[in-house]
Amino acid sequence: QVRLVESGGGLVKPGGSLRLSCAATGFIFRDFYMSWVRQAPGKGLEILAYISTSGTYTEYIASVEGRFTISRRDDEKSLLLEMNSLRVEDTALYYCTRLGAAWEIDNWGQGVLVTVSS
Amino acid sequence: EIVMTQSPATLSVSPGDGVTLSCRASQRITNLAWFQQRPGQAPRLLISDASTRATGIPDRFSGSGSGTDFTLNIGTLQSEDFAVYYCQQYEGWPFTFGPGTKLDIK
Repeated sequence: QVRLVESGGGLVKPGGSLRLSCAATGFIFRDFYMSWVRQAPGKGLEILAYISTSGTYTEYIASVEGRFTISRRDDEKSLLLEMNSLRVEDTALYYCTRLGAAWEIDNWGQGVLVTVSS
Repeated sequence: EIVMTQSPATLSVSPGDGVTLSCRASQRITNLAWFQQRPGQAPRLLISDASTRATGIPDRFSGSGSGTDFTLNIGTLQSEDFAVYYCQQYEGWPFTFGPGTKLDIK
């Protein structure tokens, strides 16, 4: 079955950087658009970015554009999120997600916690 | 940006009851999904395209609506249904979520 496993989270100081990874199994990774969604503690869901098949297209929400970079390695079946210039308000659980044929989020990882604090 | 709103914020109900959750979009959309998030768990897809149940979702969950107003109906609530429910539009980027409706046990 579809499995998405995130890694790379942790505690980082404001202004610091972190790279998240997501290992995908159980489906043909290269055939699917992928995205990252985050959830601040006790708050709702926010999609951050998506990437098309082959990595041709990417989109970001305004609050992370220029600071975060989504990428993929199809040969390794992995999704990445490079996060720079981190802010306290970036503290959240970050989910790796798969987008279905109509762009619906049809599968979620269990999430990885990123804490930005001095 | 399409703004999604949900009502009510919290709903206290008893096991065995049926409930209707509401979601409204700030402009007409077609692509609407519903997600369930149990405490300590990742969200999971319940409904896509406003009314199509995802694989493995029990038929007590049903979605309806069109345009700007959508509903999620849950018939005969089970204990595992007490969770937070989010709607999300994937019509236009950014794919925005509603703030969620929490189902509490009365």
